Formats: sequence, C-alpha cells, structure tokens
Amino acid sequence: NAGVTQTPKFQVLKTGQSMTLQCAQDMNHNSMYWYRQDPGMGLRLIYYSASEGTTDKGEVPNGYNVSRLNKREFSLRLESAAPSQTSVYFCASTLGVDTQYFGPGTRLTVL
Amino acid sequence: KNQVEQSPQSLIILEGKNCTLQCNYTVSPFSNLRWYKQDTGRGPVSLTIMTFSENTKSNGRYTATLDADTKQSSLHITASQLSDSASYICVVSAKTGGFKTIFGAGTRLFVKA
Repeated sequence: NAGVTQTPKFQVLKTGQSMTLQCAQDMNHNSMYWYRQDPGMGLRLIYYSASEGTTDKGEVPNGYNVSRLNKREFSLRLESAAPSQTSVYFCASTLGVDTQYFGPGTRLTVL
Repeated sequence: KNQVEQSPQSLIILEGKNCTLQCNYTVSPFSNLRWYKQDTGRGPVSLTIMTFSENTKSNGRYTATLDADTKQSSLHITASQLSDSASYICVVSAKTGGFKTIFGAGTRLFVKA
C-alpha cells in the first residue's frame, strides 16, 4: 500500500514550457486535490476532484489544468510555465471529508 | 474573510522540554480543525482532527485543544524529541456546499539536543 505517489520529485522548466505532474493513490479514495506550497504561506488549493469524472477550481487555478483519469489518478498540467509557478506541489486524497493523505511533493522551478 | 493564523512562526526548544503552538481562525461556519506535521521535504501527515463538540484530542505526545467559542486551538507537545523538529500546520474546514479548507502557514519547530 503505497498511499499517494507523485512524479516527478523535482523538475526544472524554462518559461513557456509545458509539463504534467502525475499523482496516484491506492487507497480507493473518492476525492483528490492539488495544492501548491510557497514559503511563508499555507498550502493553497489549485484544483480538486470530488469524485471520478468531476473536477472543480480551487483558490488559485489560473495557469493550470487537471484531469481525473480514473479513480486512482489525478494529473496537473502547466500549459505554459511561468516563474510565478515555481513552488512545491502536493497531491492529496480523502475518502470523504476526513483526513487528507498527502503525497511527497514535486519541487518545480521555472526559470 | 476566512483565515487561519498560527503563532509563533518558529520556535527553538531543548530536547525533553514541552511546548505549545497556537492557532486562531475566523473560518465560518466551522466544520473541523486538523493539525498536521510536515517534515522537511515531505508531505504533511495528520496528527489530530477535531469537530465542534470536541475540546481535546491526543495522539501520543501530541495533545490538541479546541475552543470553538473563541475560535482558538493549541497543539501541546510533551517531552519533545529531536524527531519532533518539523513544521506544524493548523487546518480549518468550513461547512459549505463546496469544499473550503484553509491552511495556516505553519509553525517551524526546532528541537535541539
């Protein structure tokens, strides 16, 4: 039981490049989330998926898109990366409104 | 505006000592409050979760309290260990039609030998 896994762990992009962050959970959770964490700030919700087939915007969705590929997988895509998107990205999942389980994070730098 | 404020920003204590971290919130209507521990370079891990009717909850050497009237919570760590060095994050969720969870910026705890 791996919990929540994320790939890659580290990534460096140039401004304008695109990439997809992958997230998968093996706990049969319905809800999945993408957050970003910046120094001195709390985690901020980018997008979430309450169940397979649905996605909703969070607090800071601009510049991002998501896909809930199936119940296990929830990907985050940056179409045209900007330096302001330099951050640590965390994926999380929950069964209902209970405790969130977080992945190990992806550290992204945009030059 | 829904907010979660944590204090202090950072704290240094000696191994074996106790400490208390504070969390004040204005999130409404209140659903639950959670404390997470985040080790450097890792994702947050849940310590406790409390609903409106719960005043205190323990998890080993960690004890969380909640005063829903004053909208304050604290996390008390007893007999600190070097492995307690981490960020501690207070998270408050609101009862809404959608999803509303506000994360505090965290308290960075350093435990020294």
